[in-house]
Amino acid sequence: EVQLLESGGNLAQPGGSLRLSCAVSGFNFSNYVMTWVRQAPGKGLEWVSAISGPSDTTMYTDSVKGRFTISRDNSQDMLYLQMNSLRAEDTAVYYCAQGRGSLAYWGQGTVVTV
Amino acid sequence: QSVLTQPPSASGTPGQSVTISCSGSSSNIGINFVYWYQHLPGTAPKLLIYKNNQRPSGVPDRFSGSKSGTSASLAINGLRSEDEADYYCAAWDDSLNAVYVFGTGTKVTVL
Repeated sequence: EVQLLESGGNLAQPGGSLRLSCAVSGFNFSNYVMTWVRQAPGKGLEWVSAISGPSDTTMYTDSVKGRFTISRDNSQDMLYLQMNSLRAEDTAVYYCAQGRGSLAYWGQGTVVTV
Repeated sequence: QSVLTQPPSASGTPGQSVTISCSGSSSNIGINFVYWYQHLPGTAPKLLIYKNNQRPSGVPDRFSGSKSGTSASLAINGLRSEDEADYYCAAWDDSLNAVYVFGTGTKVTVL
């Protein structure tokens, strides 16, 4: 059974930092692009970032470029999102998801409040 | 601000059909696959349709997707109470830097 479990969400001050984690099981993690998606209160889904299986390609939405860093540890089946210089508009539920186009499996989300 | 536009709401009675549109452009839907997601608040979003019209295993055939030019549609036939949710289209956009974009979302209400 595929499982994704996010953690690390918390209350942060503007300008502060948080590191989100996503623990994965049930599939060959290193073979898949992994993605972060967020949903701000009362808003729709927003794609944040994605990383290739071997970590040689990373992609970000414009609003987080230079502030957020996506990474992964294939030996531990872990996905990360380092969030620096946080802003009020980063307040959202953050989901990790498997895939690049077809986001086939999702976690339950972790809440970030800035 | 999303580049994929959906109607904010749609509704129908049980058994009816509902169609949700998704309007994009030549840099996204016009050249890339369209995906559809169902999202109930407080839960993980669920992939309903991939590559324009393909259903993942376990998704009922009441859900169908189509694409024409720079627009796409999701049809829900035989509407059921459990279909009440938010629905989002999505596609890669290759305009400047490639980014994955979600539609504005449509709230489906089963009357």
